[in-house]
Amino acid sequence: KQEVTQIPAALSVPEGENLVLNCSFTDSAIYNLQWFRQDPGKGLTSLLLIQSSQREQTSGRLNASLDKSSGRSTLYIAASQPGDSATYLCAVRPGSGGSNYKLTFGKGTLLTVNP
Amino acid sequence: DGGITQSPKYLFRKEGQNVTLSCEQNLNHDAMYWYRQDPGQGLRLIYYSQIVNDFQKGDIAEGYSVSREKKESFPLTVTSAQKNPTAFYLCASSTSEQGARGRNQPQHFGDGTRLSIL
Repeated sequence: KQEVTQIPAALSVPEGENLVLNCSFTDSAIYNLQWFRQDPGKGLTSLLLIQSSQREQTSGRLNASLDKSSGRSTLYIAASQPGDSATYLCAVRPGSGGSNYKLTFGKGTLLTVNP
Repeated sequence: DGGITQSPKYLFRKEGQNVTLSCEQNLNHDAMYWYRQDPGQGLRLIYYSQIVNDFQKGDIAEGYSVSREKKESFPLTVTSAQKNPTAFYLCASSTSEQGARGRNQPQHFGDGTRLSIL
């Protein structure tokens, strides 16, 4: 059974700092991995999707990397801003099998960027 | 703008009552999903539907029911059989699951419905 772990559970940093959020998964047979952002009381917003054949994806100040063989992904946020404060979740999609529609989510990292 | 609309934002259920959460999308997506989110937990899949008039149970379907009569709509009913319904419910949609292109499209989420017990 796929398990997704996100470390740390919470992170507080001063504005302007570069930071890394971690995501690990137990079954490396994934199709892709997604990073989402969730603001309090809101739904999820997709930030980046990395296909299993890719090593990284970039969008603005965000860079996500994927090391499928070791079961790890990182989300790098450059020059953090208070507006980046949110919960960040990662989710993996299985590579095969009858339930290949189903995403498995981590519990998220709560990020606070202090002005 | 295209998106997913969930209503109501807050819902209260009395004991023994069934309640229905609405989810509508205008993204022309074939696939739709219902997730449950509890504090400190990852999202868990309740039901999903790949096409109109078809849906499948997820990991925690007991005490819930769905219908998919229209492409745009995927309502979730929380029945009285669900003994611990208090949670944040999220609806999502995506393009067709078939093929690599579809499976590499992200899921889009609504803003959720928070359900509580009176």
